[in-house]
Amino acid sequence: NAGVTQTPKFRILKIGQSMTLQCTQDMNHNYMYWYRQDPGMGLKLIYYSVGAGITDKGEVPNGYNVSRSTTEDFPLRLELAAPSQTSVYFCASSSPRGPTYEQYFGPGTRLTVT
Amino acid sequence: AQKVTQAQTEISVVEKEDVTLDCVYETRDTTYYLFWYKQPPSGELVFLIRRNSFDEQNEISGRYSWNFQKSTSSFNFTITASQVVDSAVYFCALSEALGFNKFYFGSGTKLNVKP
Repeated sequence: NAGVTQTPKFRILKIGQSMTLQCTQDMNHNYMYWYRQDPGMGLKLIYYSVGAGITDKGEVPNGYNVSRSTTEDFPLRLELAAPSQTSVYFCASSSPRGPTYEQYFGPGTRLTVT
Repeated sequence: AQKVTQAQTEISVVEKEDVTLDCVYETRDTTYYLFWYKQPPSGELVFLIRRNSFDEQNEISGRYSWNFQKSTSSFNFTITASQVVDSAVYFCALSEALGFNKFYFGSGTKLNVKP
């Protein structure tokens, strides 16, 4: 199993550009999450999904959109990028039926908006 | 509201010293889960341990041990005989038992272990 994969690893955007961060998991997990981690800070939840077709906002959803058309994929869309969105983005997945109930994280996408 | 506080922003120790990382949490739920994750300089997040609110037994795994005390809402993490490879940022997290396993992370403690 590859676990949770994210693309791209790095990206530089100009202010006002848009992009999609890709996230795929191959563990058949129902729950998926997007977090951002600002320098020296903890992770903040942007959006989450409990299954295909169902998404909801987390703590910091403004400026982002998500969709969940399949169990495996949970892309994060940035519209009109702003410098405040410079961060490292982590995708995660979990299954409440798992033995340890932890969230499995992808390797992250480092995004810079200039 | 759920909240996790890691008051220690950064700790520096010399190799072989013991070090304890503090975690204090707030929740109104009676059933919840607590976690520790390690983030080495390479950036990935590595799961270390999960505890549920009904299990207050301390746990030891090699040089790592965890002390869960509901009376003080704390879930502290001790590394015995620290090593340079332990240098990382360590995050404590709280999740809901009911609902959708949303995690609430502390701000992290950066541990520097010097040779």
